[in-house]
Amino acid sequence: EPEVTQTPSHQVTQMGQEVILRCVPISNHLYFYWYRQILGQKVEFLVSFYNNEISEKSEIFDDQFSVERPDGSNFTLKIRSTKLEDSAMYFCASSPIILGGYTFGSGTRLTVV
Amino acid sequence: LAKTTQPISMDSYEGQEVNITCSHNNIATNDYITWYQQFPSQGPRFIIQGYKTKVTNEVASLFIPADRKSSTLSLPRVSLSDTAVYYCLVGSDNAGNNRKLIWGLGTSLAVNP
Repeated sequence: EPEVTQTPSHQVTQMGQEVILRCVPISNHLYFYWYRQILGQKVEFLVSFYNNEISEKSEIFDDQFSVERPDGSNFTLKIRSTKLEDSAMYFCASSPIILGGYTFGSGTRLTVV
Repeated sequence: LAKTTQPISMDSYEGQEVNITCSHNNIATNDYITWYQQFPSQGPRFIIQGYKTKVTNEVASLFIPADRKSSTLSLPRVSLSDTAVYYCLVGSDNAGNNRKLIWGLGTSLAVNP
């Protein structure tokens, strides 16, 4: 079964540092997403990406965040200057253009210290 | 975006059928109903999606009444490994639309021996 792959599985960073979270979506999917989940809380939408541009973003996705699809396979989330409150699980997901659910990756646990 | 309401938690025993009901009174004409399962520290996993009546796959069944204001996820003969959080989401899944979904806290299902 095709998978969404995320790396690293766990990243610890110091406050103020930049981090890049990486994702390889399923190859024939066209929509890509980043979500985050703070421990014990809801899954929160960050951004959706289609046709090489952001199609929607949430209020969480401020100027500290950016996404990129640098080549035909990778999809990255960059946090420019991390804050303590950015500590969370970050999930990448992709979906096909036709009806169907999202396929999520296993997540990156980001810990900001 | 339609808001959903589900029980916070449910308990069951191995071998029983579990039915989790979700209310979505403000569902729009174009909205589909999608259920996900999430284990701790893992990404959500797509279970089933439907628009009306009944949908069945190898994992679950989804019952949607004619007014579509609620839906019921049915898990036949649950096992301990079905202990997880189950999310009901409602949103449009048509190509070209912004595909942001609002996640609630889900239903935490505990399956006991």
